[in-house]
Amino acid sequence: EPEVTQTPSHQVTQMGQEVILRCVPISNHLYFYWYRQILGQKVEFLVSFYNNEISEKSEIFDDQFSVERPDGSNFTLKIRSTKLEDSAMYFCASRPGQGDTEAFFGQGTRLTVV
Amino acid sequence: GENVGLHLPTLSVQEGDNSIINCAYSNSASDYFIWYKQESGKGPQFIIDIRSNMDKRQGQRVTVLLNKTVKHLSLQIAATQPGDSAVYFCAENRNTGKLIFGQGTTLQVKP
Repeated sequence: EPEVTQTPSHQVTQMGQEVILRCVPISNHLYFYWYRQILGQKVEFLVSFYNNEISEKSEIFDDQFSVERPDGSNFTLKIRSTKLEDSAMYFCASRPGQGDTEAFFGQGTRLTVV
Repeated sequence: GENVGLHLPTLSVQEGDNSIINCAYSNSASDYFIWYKQESGKGPQFIIDIRSNMDKRQGQRVTVLLNKTVKHLSLQIAATQPGDSAVYFCAENRNTGKLIFGQGTTLQVKP
């Protein structure tokens, strides 16, 4: 069964450092997303990406965040200068269409900023 | 506004009993809803979805009910098993494709 894969599973970084979280969406999907989940809280939308550009972003997704699809398979989330409050699980998701279609989530990357 | 909520943070049931998890949403224009299950350390896993032109949809051991009048969604799990223990989220799909998640209900199944 096709799945969304994310690497690494756990990333520990020093405050102020840059991190790149990587995702390989399902191959025939067209819409890609990043979500964040702070420990014990709900899943929050960060950004959606379609046709090689951001289609929507949340208030959380400020200038420190960026996304890229550098080739035909990878989808990355970069945080330029990490803060303690960036510590969370980051989930990548993809879906074949925008409307009434299931979003498939990866297993997540646990980011710990120290 | 962007508000999807669940009524109870924790639900404890006996193995074999039926479970009902509730969710309230605020955006009356929403037309597609999804229930996700999240096990510890894993990503959300799709359980079942429902479109606003329906009021009930059944899957294997799960049923979703939608009441648009009161903007209420519920997930019913029949004959709950230990493997059903997880956090359950309802999510509201917006036209832009983003999902707005509720706070989550932790389902604990007692043997």
